[in-house]
Amino acid sequence: QVQLVESGGGLVRPGGSLRLSCAASGFIFSDYYMSWIRQAPGKGLEWVSYISGPGSISYYADSVKGRFTISRDNAKNSLYLQMNSLRAEDTAVYYCASLRTYSSSHSGDYWGRGTLVTVSS
Amino acid sequence: SYELTQPPSVSVSPGQTARITCSGDALPKQYAYWYHQKPGQAPVLVIFKDTERSSGIPDRFSGSSSGTTVTLTISGVQAEDEADYYCQSADSSGTYVVFGGGTKLTVL
Repeated sequence: QVQLVESGGGLVRPGGSLRLSCAASGFIFSDYYMSWIRQAPGKGLEWVSYISGPGSISYYADSVKGRFTISRDNAKNSLYLQMNSLRAEDTAVYYCASLRTYSSSHSGDYWGRGTLVTVSS
Repeated sequence: SYELTQPPSVSVSPGQTARITCSGDALPKQYAYWYHQKPGQAPVLVIFKDTERSSGIPDRFSGSSSGTTVTLTISGVQAEDEADYYCQSADSSGTYVVFGGGTKLTVL
């Protein structure tokens, strides 16, 4: 069965960096777009970034553009999110999700359980 | 930036029908997706491509689309359906993923 397991969250000071990982299993990882989606405490879902199967296409939400970088290693069935210049407003649970493409949109078919990132001094 | 608008809350009694709407200018052009999320859990895909039910989702859940509004309908609501519901779609170019603000469904 499909499994997505995030890791790498924790407490970091404002301005600091963190790298999240997502280990995937149970499907052909390289065939799927993958995404990071976050949820601040008590708030709704916010899309962060997604990347194509080969890793050649990626897009970011305006709130993280220039600070976050999404990447993947298909040989290791792993997705990553490098987060730099972190701000208090980046505090959230970060979910990894596999995407299925329909026409020009994507649905989040499978989600991990999330990893908590707290940005605080 | 593109936005999807949902009502913050919907309340229904058990056995009644709940309808949750989601509005956005690009919805005539882009598919909509619905997720439910229970406290402390990850979101689960409920409806994809406006009207298709995801695997394992009971048939009391259905989706519909009309113009710039999509609707999630839950017929014969059960206590276990109490959750937050989110719509999701894309901007008109298909580049950006967008979520609605979420609707808290309360079963009275």
